[in-house]
Amino acid sequence: DQQVKQNSPSLSVQEGRISILNCDYTNSMFDYFLWYKKYPAEGPTFLISISSIKDKNEDGRFTVFLNKSAKHLSLHIVPSQPGDSAVYFCAARYNNNDMRFGAGTRLTVKP
Amino acid sequence: KAGVTQTPRYLIKTRGQQVTLSCSPISGHRSVSWYQQTPGQGLQFLFEYFSETQRNKGNFPGRFSGRQFSNSRSEMNVSTLELGDSALYLCASSLEQSPLHFGNGTRLTVT
Repeated sequence: DQQVKQNSPSLSVQEGRISILNCDYTNSMFDYFLWYKKYPAEGPTFLISISSIKDKNEDGRFTVFLNKSAKHLSLHIVPSQPGDSAVYFCAARYNNNDMRFGAGTRLTVKP
Repeated sequence: KAGVTQTPRYLIKTRGQQVTLSCSPISGHRSVSWYQQTPGQGLQFLFEYFSETQRNKGNFPGRFSGRQFSNSRSEMNVSTLELGDSALYLCASSLEQSPLHFGNGTRLTVT
């Protein structure tokens, strides 16, 4: 029951360039979307979120875009830094705190 | 403010045994969620507790159960362990309809 999908298991970009991580979902009842970042041996940490009534939210180098008609979410990191290297999880919420996650995308930013 | 604390960090069990994992949420957080992380599957939602009641449940067999105490601390139990239960188990706490805050997880290995 994969309601949230991240089809790219890995992504490699050069330092200073843009990183674009993608996420698709199937459940139109999701009302809130989030991105989490995870380093090895640590739990995921919240990065940025967007409500379903918006199509863009920006926080510093991180911007999340939501295309409801396509049921597609993306995270843009500009400029990418080596410290951004981590696994990124897309998540979607419905029904109180019931949150569903994608399988994750491993981002590697090369110096 | 202390973060989410999970104990133990590592566990090794044999097939057929049972295990109990513990989670202490951030002070003031009444919602506690549990997730299973395995390679390639991302974070699979187990269940969510709020004020000592299970509010949401994922698609896991009845061998997986949990409970929440009056101080919001939560435990997760897995009975009759199988090799496939080997995973990182993550606990997260949150305020109502807010981002989840994760602990560093319990790494369970079933041999």
